[in-house]
Amino acid sequence: DTGVSQDPRHKITKRGQNVTFRCDPISEHNRLYWYRQTLGQGPEFLTYFQNEAQLEKSRLLSDRFSAERPKGSFSTLEIQRTEQGDSAMYLCASSFGISGNTIYFGEGSWLTVV
Amino acid sequence: DQQVKQNSPSLSVQEGRISILNCDYTNSMFDYFLWYKKYPAEGPTFLISISSIKDKNEDGRFTVFLNKSAKHLSLHIVPSQPGDSAVYFCAASTDYGGSQGNLIFGKGTKLSVKP
Repeated sequence: DTGVSQDPRHKITKRGQNVTFRCDPISEHNRLYWYRQTLGQGPEFLTYFQNEAQLEKSRLLSDRFSAERPKGSFSTLEIQRTEQGDSAMYLCASSFGISGNTIYFGEGSWLTVV
Repeated sequence: DQQVKQNSPSLSVQEGRISILNCDYTNSMFDYFLWYKKYPAEGPTFLISISSIKDKNEDGRFTVFLNKSAKHLSLHIVPSQPGDSAVYFCAASTDYGGSQGNLIFGKGTKLSVKP
Protein backbone atom coordinates (compact mmCIF):
# COMPACT_ATOMS: atom_id res chain seq x y z
CA ASP A 1 0.00 0.00 0.00
CA THR A 2 1.55 3.31 -1.06
CA GLY A 3 -1.00 5.66 0.48
CA VAL A 4 -0.61 8.02 3.42
CA SER A 5 0.01 5.99 6.56
CA GLN A 6 -0.77 7.11 10.11
CA ASP A 7 0.08 5.56 13.45
CA PRO A 8 -1.46 4.87 15.87
CA ARG A 9 -4.98 4.64 14.50
CA HIS A 10 -6.49 5.01 17.96
CA LYS A 11 -5.14 6.49 21.16
CA ILE A 12 -6.84 6.86 24.53
CA THR A 13 -4.95 8.99 27.01
CA LYS A 14 -5.51 10.62 30.34
CA ARG A 15 -5.79 14.37 30.55
CA GLY A 16 -2.42 15.96 31.06
CA GLN A 17 -0.45 13.25 29.26
CA ASN A 18 1.55 13.82 26.09
CA VAL A 19 0.75 12.00 22.86
CA THR A 20 2.56 11.73 19.56
CA PHE A 21 1.21 10.77 16.15
CA ARG A 22 3.28 9.73 13.19
CA CYS A 23 2.53 10.21 9.50
CA ASP A 24 4.28 8.66 6.51
CA PRO A 25 3.25 10.48 3.32
CA ILE A 26 3.03 9.10 -0.18
CA SER A 27 6.54 8.62 -1.52
CA GLU A 28 7.99 11.66 -3.27
CA HIS A 29 5.22 13.95 -2.07
CA ASN A 30 7.01 17.07 -0.87
CA ARG A 31 4.05 18.57 0.95
CA LEU A 32 2.62 17.16 4.14
CA TYR A 33 -0.41 18.52 5.99
CA TRP A 34 -2.03 18.00 9.36
CA TYR A 35 -5.75 18.51 9.86
CA ARG A 36 -8.08 17.94 12.77
CA GLN A 37 -11.67 16.80 12.53
CA THR A 38 -14.28 16.81 15.29
CA LEU A 39 -17.79 15.38 15.14
CA GLY A 40 -20.09 17.28 12.83
CA GLN A 41 -17.31 19.39 11.36
CA GLY A 42 -15.20 19.22 8.28
CA PRO A 43 -11.44 18.78 8.54
CA GLU A 44 -9.73 21.90 9.89
CA PHE A 45 -6.26 22.84 8.77
CA LEU A 46 -3.52 22.79 11.41
CA THR A 47 -0.19 23.08 9.62
CA TYR A 48 1.77 22.07 6.55
CA PHE A 49 5.32 21.35 5.49
CA GLN A 50 7.09 21.81 2.20
CA ASN A 51 9.87 19.26 2.50
CA GLU A 52 11.25 19.83 6.02
CA ALA A 53 10.13 23.46 6.30
CA GLN A 54 6.97 24.23 8.25
CA LEU A 55 5.42 26.96 6.09
CA GLU A 56 2.10 27.69 7.72
CA LYS A 57 0.43 27.17 11.07
CA SER A 58 -3.22 27.70 11.90
CA ARG A 59 -4.26 29.61 14.99
CA LEU A 60 -5.83 26.29 16.04
CA LEU A 61 -2.30 25.04 16.65
CA SER A 62 -1.77 26.17 20.24
CA ASP A 63 1.64 26.13 21.86
CA ARG A 64 0.85 22.68 23.26
CA PHE A 65 1.01 21.34 19.72
CA SER A 66 4.24 20.83 17.83
CA ALA A 67 4.82 19.24 14.46
CA GLU A 68 8.08 18.22 12.86
CA ARG A 69 9.25 16.78 9.59
CA PRO A 70 12.96 16.44 10.24
CA LYS A 71 14.15 14.87 7.00
CA GLY A 72 11.35 15.90 4.72
CA SER A 73 9.81 12.45 4.79
CA PHE A 74 7.70 11.31 7.76
CA SER A 75 6.18 13.77 10.22
CA THR A 76 5.19 13.73 13.88
CA LEU A 77 2.51 15.71 15.64
CA GLU A 78 2.93 15.97 19.40
CA ILE A 79 0.30 17.24 21.80
CA GLN A 80 1.56 18.11 25.26
CA ARG A 81 -0.58 18.26 28.40
CA THR A 82 -3.63 16.94 26.57
CA GLU A 83 -7.05 18.38 27.34
CA GLN A 84 -10.47 16.86 26.74
CA GLY A 85 -11.03 19.38 23.97
CA ASP A 86 -8.15 17.79 22.06
CA SER A 87 -10.28 14.69 21.45
CA ALA A 88 -10.63 14.48 17.69
CA MET A 89 -9.44 12.67 14.60
CA TYR A 90 -6.05 13.91 13.47
CA LEU A 91 -5.62 13.60 9.73
CA CYS A 92 -2.41 13.67 7.79
CA ALA A 93 -2.34 14.36 4.06
CA SER A 94 0.26 14.79 1.37
CA SER A 95 0.62 16.16 -2.14
CA PHE A 96 3.19 17.11 -4.77
CA GLY A 97 2.66 20.73 -3.86
CA ILE A 98 2.19 22.03 -7.37
CA SER A 99 -0.79 23.87 -8.70
CA GLY A 100 -3.80 21.72 -9.37
CA ASN A 101 -2.43 18.79 -7.47
CA THR A 102 -4.68 16.68 -5.29
CA ILE A 103 -4.20 16.37 -1.56
CA TYR A 104 -4.49 12.74 -0.40
CA PHE A 105 -5.48 11.89 3.15
CA GLY A 106 -4.51 9.08 5.46
CA GLU A 107 -6.89 7.00 7.54
CA GLY A 108 -6.56 9.33 10.52
CA SER A 109 -5.58 8.90 14.16
CA TRP A 110 -8.40 8.99 16.70
CA LEU A 111 -7.52 10.66 19.99
CA THR A 112 -9.72 10.31 23.05
CA VAL A 113 -8.69 12.24 26.14
CA VAL A 114 -10.35 10.98 29.32
CA ASP B 1 -17.14 32.93 9.55
CA GLN B 2 -17.45 29.86 7.35
CA GLN B 3 -15.92 30.39 3.94
CA VAL B 4 -17.25 27.08 2.57
CA LYS B 5 -20.81 26.14 3.36
CA GLN B 6 -22.73 22.95 2.84
CA ASN B 7 -26.18 23.90 3.99
CA SER B 8 -27.77 20.47 3.78
CA PRO B 9 -26.53 18.22 6.59
CA SER B 10 -28.15 15.19 5.01
CA LEU B 11 -29.68 13.93 1.78
CA SER B 12 -31.57 10.73 1.05
CA VAL B 13 -32.10 9.39 -2.47
CA GLN B 14 -33.30 6.19 -4.06
CA GLU B 15 -30.84 3.86 -5.74
CA GLY B 16 -30.54 4.62 -9.45
CA ARG B 17 -31.66 8.23 -9.09
CA ILE B 18 -29.52 11.35 -9.19
CA SER B 19 -27.87 12.73 -6.04
CA ILE B 20 -27.12 16.46 -6.04
CA LEU B 21 -24.91 17.83 -3.30
CA ASN B 22 -24.48 21.58 -3.03
CA CYS B 23 -21.73 23.84 -1.78
CA ASP B 24 -21.48 27.63 -1.49
CA TYR B 25 -18.39 29.71 -0.84
CA THR B 26 -17.79 33.30 0.14
CA ASN B 27 -14.12 33.90 -0.69
CA SER B 28 -13.81 35.10 -4.29
CA MET B 29 -10.10 34.22 -4.19
CA PHE B 30 -10.89 30.50 -4.20
CA ASP B 31 -9.97 29.06 -7.56
CA TYR B 32 -9.69 25.34 -6.96
CA PHE B 33 -12.43 23.13 -5.60
CA LEU B 34 -12.47 19.49 -4.57
CA TRP B 35 -14.99 16.95 -3.36
CA TYR B 36 -14.07 14.27 -0.86
CA LYS B 37 -16.05 11.28 0.35
CA LYS B 38 -15.67 10.00 3.88
CA TYR B 39 -16.80 6.81 5.59
CA PRO B 40 -16.95 6.68 9.40
CA ALA B 41 -13.59 6.24 11.11
CA GLU B 42 -11.70 6.67 7.82
CA GLY B 43 -9.89 9.55 6.21
CA PRO B 44 -11.46 11.54 3.35
CA THR B 45 -11.07 10.02 -0.11
CA PHE B 46 -10.62 12.33 -3.08
CA LEU B 47 -13.44 12.17 -5.64
CA ILE B 48 -13.18 14.95 -8.17
CA SER B 49 -11.89 18.49 -8.55
CA ILE B 50 -12.45 21.55 -10.69
CA SER B 51 -10.49 24.71 -11.33
CA SER B 52 -12.14 28.09 -11.69
CA ILE B 53 -11.35 28.25 -15.40
CA LYS B 54 -13.88 25.48 -15.98
CA ASP B 55 -17.56 25.21 -15.25
CA LYS B 56 -17.87 21.45 -15.44
CA ASN B 57 -15.72 18.40 -14.82
CA GLU B 58 -16.86 14.84 -15.25
CA ASP B 59 -15.44 11.53 -14.05
CA GLY B 60 -17.61 8.49 -14.55
CA ARG B 61 -20.76 8.80 -12.46
CA PHE B 62 -19.51 11.99 -10.82
CA THR B 63 -19.85 15.48 -12.29
CA VAL B 64 -18.97 18.74 -10.60
CA PHE B 65 -20.49 22.02 -11.78
CA LEU B 66 -19.08 25.42 -10.87
CA ASN B 67 -21.01 28.68 -11.03
CA LYS B 68 -18.45 31.38 -10.22
CA SER B 69 -20.86 34.29 -10.36
CA ALA B 70 -23.06 32.62 -7.78
CA LYS B 71 -20.08 31.23 -5.82
CA HIS B 72 -21.76 27.86 -5.96
CA LEU B 73 -20.73 24.37 -6.90
CA SER B 74 -22.55 21.09 -6.98
CA LEU B 75 -21.68 17.42 -7.21
CA HIS B 76 -23.96 15.18 -9.24
CA ILE B 77 -23.88 11.43 -8.83
CA VAL B 78 -25.71 9.48 -11.52
CA PRO B 79 -26.88 6.82 -11.00
CA SER B 80 -26.64 6.70 -7.22
CA GLN B 81 -25.64 3.41 -5.64
CA PRO B 82 -25.94 2.20 -2.02
CA GLY B 83 -22.13 2.18 -1.80
CA ASP B 84 -22.20 5.95 -2.34
CA SER B 85 -23.68 6.36 1.13
CA ALA B 86 -21.13 8.44 3.02
CA VAL B 87 -20.39 11.99 4.11
CA TYR B 88 -19.36 14.27 1.25
CA PHE B 89 -17.13 17.26 1.87
CA CYS B 90 -16.62 20.23 -0.39
CA ALA B 91 -13.20 21.91 -0.10
CA ALA B 92 -11.62 24.99 -1.66
CA SER B 93 -8.23 26.61 -1.95
CA THR B 94 -6.60 29.67 -3.50
CA ASP B 95 -3.83 29.92 -6.04
CA TYR B 96 -5.03 26.68 -7.57
CA GLY B 97 -3.61 24.87 -4.55
CA GLY B 98 -0.10 25.97 -5.44
CA SER B 99 1.55 28.41 -3.08
CA GLN B 100 -1.32 28.24 -0.60
CA GLY B 101 -1.00 25.03 1.33
CA ASN B 102 -4.33 24.37 2.85
CA LEU B 103 -7.84 23.39 1.90
CA ILE B 104 -10.89 24.95 3.53
CA PHE B 105 -13.63 22.39 4.09
CA GLY B 106 -17.38 22.61 4.51
CA LYS B 107 -19.12 20.70 7.28
CA GLY B 108 -20.22 17.91 5.01
CA THR B 109 -23.45 16.40 3.72
CA LYS B 110 -24.41 12.88 4.72
CA LEU B 111 -25.76 11.03 1.69
CA SER B 112 -27.91 7.95 2.15
CA VAL B 113 -28.76 5.92 -0.93
CA LYS B 114 -31.61 3.52 -0.31
CA PRO B 115 -31.97 0.27 -2.27
